Amino acid sequence: ETGVTQSPTHLIKTRGQQVTLRCSSQSGHNTVSWYQQALGQGPQFIFQYYREEENGRGNFPPRFSGLQFPNYSSELNVNALELDDSALYLCASSWTGGRTYEQYFGPGTRLTVT
Amino acid sequence: GQQLNQSPQSMFIQEGEDVSMNCTSSSIFNTWLWYKQDPGEGPVLLIALYKAGELTSNGRLTAQFGITRKDSFLNISASIPSDVGIYFCAGGNYGGSQGNLIFGKGTKLSVKP
Repeated sequence: ETGVTQSPTHLIKTRGQQVTLRCSSQSGHNTVSWYQQALGQGPQFIFQYYREEENGRGNFPPRFSGLQFPNYSSELNVNALELDDSALYLCASSWTGGRTYEQYFGPGTRLTVT
Repeated sequence: GQQLNQSPQSMFIQEGEDVSMNCTSSSIFNTWLWYKQDPGEGPVLLIALYKAGELTSNGRLTAQFGITRKDSFLNISASIPSDVGIYFCAGGNYGGSQGNLIFGKGTKLSVKP
């Protein structure tokens, strides 16, 4: 069984730039959720993708957008980067349709905005 | 954003000690999950709870889903050095269209100097 993978591991961007982060879900999972984790905080829900559509969104502005592909992998795009966007971005995969709803996280992408 | 109240914020453990931590919410959840996160890594799922009053164990870890559905507890028995890390609780409500988890701020376990 392949776990959740994310790329890149680290990224440094300048304020105002755009960034794309990638996530491959765990085999057998059909749902991907993205979280932002600031230093010293718990993860904050950004949005979730199921059947290639957004299936719920947290309190994040529209410059945070995403995609899910037919193979269930996903991308997180952030436009017009701000300094406060510096954080660990976590992707979690899960199975929608069963009786349990455990989310399994990848190692994260550390984004630094300067 | 919303975060659950998790306590204690930090604690020091000595090998062999039992550890307890808890998590409370102003909202009701139908699912409670407990995760452990090591530095530079993503959270790892430890225990999942789906029923009020449920008590579930995973090795030396035991977690309970509170009767009010607004709280959960995690106990670690006979702690060992590899238990060091940050423990997060997360609550969710599944069965509807949204599947987001709401996390606590974490309990940091360190080794007593």
